[in-house]
Order: sequence, then structure tokens, then C-alpha cells
Amino acid sequence: QKEVEQDPGPLSVPEGAIVSLNCTYSNSAFQYFMWYRQYSRKGPELLMYTYSSGNKEDGRFTAQVDKSSKYISLFIRDSQPSDSATYLCAMTMGGNYQLIWGAGTKLIIKP
Amino acid sequence: GAVVSQHPSRVICKSGTSVKIECRSLDFQATTMFWYRQFPKKSLMLMATSNEGSKATYEQGVEKDKFLINHASLTLSTLTVTSAHPEDSSFYICSATPPLAGGEQFFGPGTRLTVL
Repeated sequence: QKEVEQDPGPLSVPEGAIVSLNCTYSNSAFQYFMWYRQYSRKGPELLMYTYSSGNKEDGRFTAQVDKSSKYISLFIRDSQPSDSATYLCAMTMGGNYQLIWGAGTKLIIKP
Repeated sequence: GAVVSQHPSRVICKSGTSVKIECRSLDFQATTMFWYRQFPKKSLMLMATSNEGSKATYEQGVEKDKFLINHASLTLSTLTVTSAHPEDSSFYICSATPPLAGGEQFFGPGTRLTVL
């Protein structure tokens, strides 16, 4: 079993829809949770960073962490074609511990 | 904030030659930088962790004599692919962690290496 599970997709939704992306993990020592967006042939871009259970909102993006269920989510409201990318979840115990990555979900927003 | 640059963005070289890739943190000092490799449609694979002023820590299966990492200053780390072969062709990405960070990493734009 991988430490972090993420459905690779692809996930295809119409423009304007609410997108839900999810990851589950097995290591309860993870304390910090991140969502990255990666466009083709580009480096990952940090979208959201959280360290406590609950919701964190930034514009159209909401990150949700449920430590009791070892489950994190990223919601995208009013999705746009420019949101089409691969979304990777990552988590760490903190400090200089390495990031443990999900497989990445390819998201396609259809105009 | 937290901008990381990488140079070159793309390089093509002949088999047997060495290639150096630079990673710079532009607006913060990074005591730790990371080097990743990414194959098409795959997630990132950590190659090594680079700490300023000390030897890099390589992940299992990564040849340290082939992938030389130098972190000579708080804003610069370099990865040198020595005696490159076609199987070294890949997308190489660096990242850096700002001081007092909780673990988040900021990534460079990546370098596409093609070995002929």
C-alpha cells in the first residue's frame, strides 16, 4: 500500500462545475498538507498549504483536511479551462522531511 | 514571494558528455534544496536532498557519482549529470524550502534534458 493514494484520473468536467480532488494517506505522523498544480512541462506550483484539520479557502480554491480519517481534499469552484492541469497532493512530517507525493490527478475542464 | 529559478530550461547533449543544471532561490535563502526527476505522466521522484555546506543525501537507487550535487551557497544548488546516456533523458526539477517553513517546497520551472 502506498503512503499516499490519489486517483490519477483523468477527471473531465464542464466549465463552471465544482471540482473535487482527493487524497488518502496512511501515516498519521504527517502534519503538513499541500496541493500543487502542474502544467505540462512546467514545475509544480504551490496552491494550498494547510497544517490543521478543517477548511482553508483561497479564492476559488478550498483545501480540506480530515486527520481523523486521513483524508484531504481540494475543491475548485467555478472551474475554468485554464484550471486544466495535473493536481498533486503532497504531505510531510514537517521541517526538512521529504514530501510524500500522490500520483497526481489529471483534470480537464471542457469549455 | 518564494521564487525559484532553474537554468537551463532545456538542454540537448551528446552521449558521454556532462551537463550542469543550476537552481537558484531568488528571494529567500534556502538551507535545503531538493532535486527531483519526473518521467512523462508520472509523479515526482526525489533524487537527493541538498543542504548548504554539506554533502547531499541521495535516495536509494540514485547514483551519487553520476548525479553530482553541489550546494555552495544559500541561494544556489547545482546538479551535474556526468557521462550522460540516453536513459538519463528526463525532466529534472529542483525545489527549495524557505527558513522556518513547515515543509512546503517551492519549485523551479524544470529542465528538460535530452541525451542523444
